[in-house]
Amino acid sequence: AQSVAQPEDQVNVAEGNPLTVKCTYSVSGNPYLFWYVQYPNRGLQFLLKYITGDNLVKGSYGFEAEFNKSQTSFHLKKPSALVSDSALYFCAVRAPNFGNEKLTFGTGTRLTIIP
Amino acid sequence: GAVVSQHPSWVICKSGTSVKIECRSLDFQATTMFWYRQFPKQSLMLMATSNEGSKATYEQGVEKDKFLINHASLTLSTLTVTSAHPEDSSFYICSASLPLRTGQLGSYGYTFGSGTRLTVV
Repeated sequence: AQSVAQPEDQVNVAEGNPLTVKCTYSVSGNPYLFWYVQYPNRGLQFLLKYITGDNLVKGSYGFEAEFNKSQTSFHLKKPSALVSDSALYFCAVRAPNFGNEKLTFGTGTRLTIIP
Repeated sequence: GAVVSQHPSWVICKSGTSVKIECRSLDFQATTMFWYRQFPKQSLMLMATSNEGSKATYEQGVEKDKFLINHASLTLSTLTVTSAHPEDSSFYICSASLPLRTGQLGSYGYTFGSGTRLTVV
């Protein structure tokens, strides 16, 4: 079974500082990994994904994530946080098997950027 | 591109009535649609997976007769909450899977509706 762990329910960062939102995963085979952001009462917006290739993935709004196979991690990062980055962030994983498209989500991390 | 339009955004209904939520893929064909439920300050729980033209596959613990899913066309999937009760109040989100290929339409893997806030009174 596939699973995702986001160990921090809440992350607070001062505006302008770098931010990291942690994610570790468990899946059979090579993972497909995703990060999504959710604003209040809205659906999920795609930030970035790792399918294959370069371990450092760059995404929307200046976010990036690094796939680390040995540590089974896919932490989300941004060099300089903005107040507008405050939102709920979800990491998700799916197995690469054809026909198994189920996404499994982590429990989410609420990111608060302090002005 | 690859937009899923979900309606309504919010709905209030009386206990015992049924509510239908629609998700339409606007510029692509959604072969597979996922329906999620999200409780306040919690993650997304997959309720069911629907494939166009066939019966939905429900996750363990989800009542098939209560949450009716129809995926009759490649651009429309619906979730009907039948005989709604206050405990069904939640945020419901649909999602369509996209081919995991490079290129504009396949870049995202999945695209999500904007969600429906259901309140049963």
